[in-house]
Amino acid sequence: AQSVTQPDIHITVSEGASLELRCNYSYGATPYLFWYVQSPGQGLQLLLKYFSGDTLVQGIKGFEAEFKRSQSSFNLRKPSVHWSDAAEYFCAVGLIQGAQKLVFGQGTRLTINP
Amino acid sequence: GAGVSQSPSNKVTEKGKDVELRCDPISGHTALYWYRQRLGQGLEFLIYFQGNSAPDKSGLPSDRFSAERTGESVSTLTIQRTQQEDSAVYLCASSLGRGGIEQFFGPGTRLTVL
Repeated sequence: AQSVTQPDIHITVSEGASLELRCNYSYGATPYLFWYVQSPGQGLQLLLKYFSGDTLVQGIKGFEAEFKRSQSSFNLRKPSVHWSDAAEYFCAVGLIQGAQKLVFGQGTRLTINP
Repeated sequence: GAGVSQSPSNKVTEKGKDVELRCDPISGHTALYWYRQRLGQGLEFLIYFQGNSAPDKSGLPSDRFSAERTGESVSTLTIQRTQQEDSAVYLCASSLGRGGIEQFFGPGTRLTVL
């Protein structure tokens, strides 16, 4: 069965520091890959997505992610975090064939220290 | 409408009662999805509609859960004889349907079963 693993449940970084959130997936082929952000009391907002082509994708709010097929990873990065980036981040896999559902990781909660 | 809307935003009910949760997708989106998010967890897929048919109901946890969709519009998720373990945020998403991979999420309904 397809699965998504986000190894870090909670990460704390200082404002202005760089950030990397890890995501690994298990799937028989290259899936569609997504990162969503969920702020307290808010719905899910799409940060970026990878379907094909360039393995480094740019998203909103200064985020980027790199697809590495050999490592089955799709890590999210930001060079310098802002206090407003504090939120829950979810990696998700979209299956190319069959059901159109998304399979989500457990999420990583990001705390920003001033 | 501008985005996916859900109602109510909060619902508190007593164990054993039935509840109905409503989702209004983005106009023109033929695909609609329901997910459940338990406290501190990622999203679990419940059901997917393409038009008013449901080709994938594999995530419905028990026969107490059902969903319907009117045309390519509103969907209702019904939980009968609610249990405390049903307490969660129920999220609805819509997309352009076949080939429309990106899902747009509503703000969710927070269900609390006492």
